[in-house]
This record gives sequence, C-alpha cells and structure tokens, in this order.
Amino acid sequence: GQQLNQSPQSMFIQEGEDVSMNCTSSSIFNTWLWYKQDPGEGPVLLIALYKAGELTSNGRLTAQFGITRKDSFLNISASIPSDVGIYFCAGQLSQGAQKLVFGQGTRLTINP
Amino acid sequence: DTGVSQNPRHKITKRGQNVTFRCDPISEHNRLYWYRQTLGQGPEFLTYFQNEAQLEKSRLLSDRFSAERPKGSFSTLEIQRTEQGDSAMYLCASSFTRANVLTFGAGSRLTVL
Repeated sequence: GQQLNQSPQSMFIQEGEDVSMNCTSSSIFNTWLWYKQDPGEGPVLLIALYKAGELTSNGRLTAQFGITRKDSFLNISASIPSDVGIYFCAGQLSQGAQKLVFGQGTRLTINP
Repeated sequence: DTGVSQNPRHKITKRGQNVTFRCDPISEHNRLYWYRQTLGQGPEFLTYFQNEAQLEKSRLLSDRFSAERPKGSFSTLEIQRTEQGDSAMYLCASSFTRANVLTFGAGSRLTVL
C-alpha cells in the first residue's frame, strides 16, 4: 500500500536547538498533516497543509507542502523540553479519501 | 465537551477471548474513525463511519473485527477470538467537515496474553 517514509527515525538534541524532519512518498498526496503524540496519548494535530508549495507556521513550528506533492517537512525552532515526543506526518491521497496514511514517526529527545 | 473519549484505556485479555472498546466522539462530529497503532509505528486506518453508516473498511479489519455506530453517536469496536497479534493501541478519531482534521482520543491499549 501507500507508504510515507519519515526521517530521521529519532533525534537527540540540546534544548534551544532547531529541529528539522521530513516525510517523502512515491505517491502524490492531496493534503499533508503533522501530528505530535505524547506517551499514552493520541496524536494531536500541529499543522495542516492543503496546497503544493504552501508554507504554514504555528508558533515555533513551520511546515511546507512540497511542490511535487510527494514530500513535506516540519521545522521546530528553539526547541524546549515540552517538544519531546513522537512526530508523525500523515497524508490524504485524494480529496475524497477519508483515510489518512501515517509515517513511522520521528522520536524527539531533548537534553536540557 | 472534553474531546474524544475512549474506554477502557487498558485491557489485558487471554488469547481467544472477546474484547469490546467504546468511543464517544465530539458531539457535533458526524464522522468517526478507528485506527490501530502498534509499537514504533504510525496509526493505520481500520474503518470509517459517517453518521451510522460504515462507509469504508481496511483489509486490516479481518472478520474477527466488527465496528458499529448504531445511532450515529458513540461507536464500539469488537474483536472476537483475540490473537497475540491483535495487541496494539486502538485509536478513535472524529471529525465534522474535512476528513483530515481529525481529533483523536487517548486510545485503548490491548494486550493479548
């Protein structure tokens, strides 16, 4: 089936550093989303992207919808301890599709 | 309204037993989704309801799995004759308009011994 390849799988950074992660696919996606999941909780939506080339920010988070519609990246600036968690990209293959396809996640660990 | 509620949060069962999970979506949401998440992986789509109609099912949803949403409000996911491979987090999500703006519950973690 369709797969999203997310990288890196894990990151170990110092507090205050910037973070960059990305998601690629061989399929074209209509929508890209970024979620964060804390231990024992469900994913929480961070940013939604609807158009190729779109660049959207949410506080210290910035995400872009790749122009080929096959990739997306998420940047976090000036990381803080509460940024720790697992970040997932997710995509919607077509406008009428109801299911989301998720990447494998990027686990972010921050050393204070 | 406090969001999507799932019960129980944790269930430990022996292989071969039946289990049922309940999801209460955000009240004004007409769409409800079930996903499964295994350790170290992203959520995988299982099924989707619009109101009380089950409109899409994944091939992951074997005949041992059944989901219902009888009155278009809460939903149940039943797994019959559980197997160890069914051990996972079962996530419920709901939405009102666009499918991609999903609000997830905290999940129900199943451990099959």
